[in-house]
Amino acid sequence: AQSVTQLGSHVSVSEGALVLLRCNYSSSVPPYLFWYVQYPNQGLQLLLKYTTGATLVKGINGFEAEFKKSETSFHLTKPSAHMSDAAEYFCAVSDQGAGSYQLTFGKGTKLSVIP
Amino acid sequence: DAGVIQSPRHEVTEMGQEVTLRCKPISGHDYLFWYRQTMMRGLELLIYFNNNVPIDDSGMPEDRFSAKMPNASFSTLKIQPSEPRDSAVYFCASSSTVFYGYTFGSGTRLTVV
Repeated sequence: AQSVTQLGSHVSVSEGALVLLRCNYSSSVPPYLFWYVQYPNQGLQLLLKYTTGATLVKGINGFEAEFKKSETSFHLTKPSAHMSDAAEYFCAVSDQGAGSYQLTFGKGTKLSVIP
Repeated sequence: DAGVIQSPRHEVTEMGQEVTLRCKPISGHDYLFWYRQTMMRGLELLIYFNNNVPIDDSGMPEDRFSAKMPNASFSTLKIQPSEPRDSAVYFCASSSTVFYGYTFGSGTRLTVV
């Protein structure tokens, strides 16, 4: 069974500072990994994903994440935080393989950006 | 593509009333998921369908909750009778394959008073 752990339910950064949101997963088979963002009063929106190939993946709004198999991690980063980045971020994992369909979500990390 | 469409966006109802939430998935997506989001419990999977057939409803909290998918373009989640503890945001999501992730609707914010 898969699981996802997001360290820190709430992270605060200053505007212009580095954003680092942590995600660790467990999976018995090679995973697909995702980050979703949820802005206030909206649904979840796909930010980026890792499926195969390059382990550093780039997403929308300047975010990127690196798949590290040895550390079973998929941390989300952005070099310089913007006020508009304030939102809740969810990491999710799924098994690779034919017939895979279910994403397992972490509990989310709420990002606050301080002016 | 209009995305996943949910209605209504907001619903306020009195305890004991029946509530019906609606979802139109993206055309061509053969998986549909219903989630509930609360501050206390976070994002919970209630039920999902594949090709209109319910596959796993183990997340449905009680018999008061039921979901149907009569065709590929429409699904409902019904709560009867509703209770204040059902107050939450309910999301519908659809997918063709997990390779692409899920596409979520904007949610229905349900308040039961």
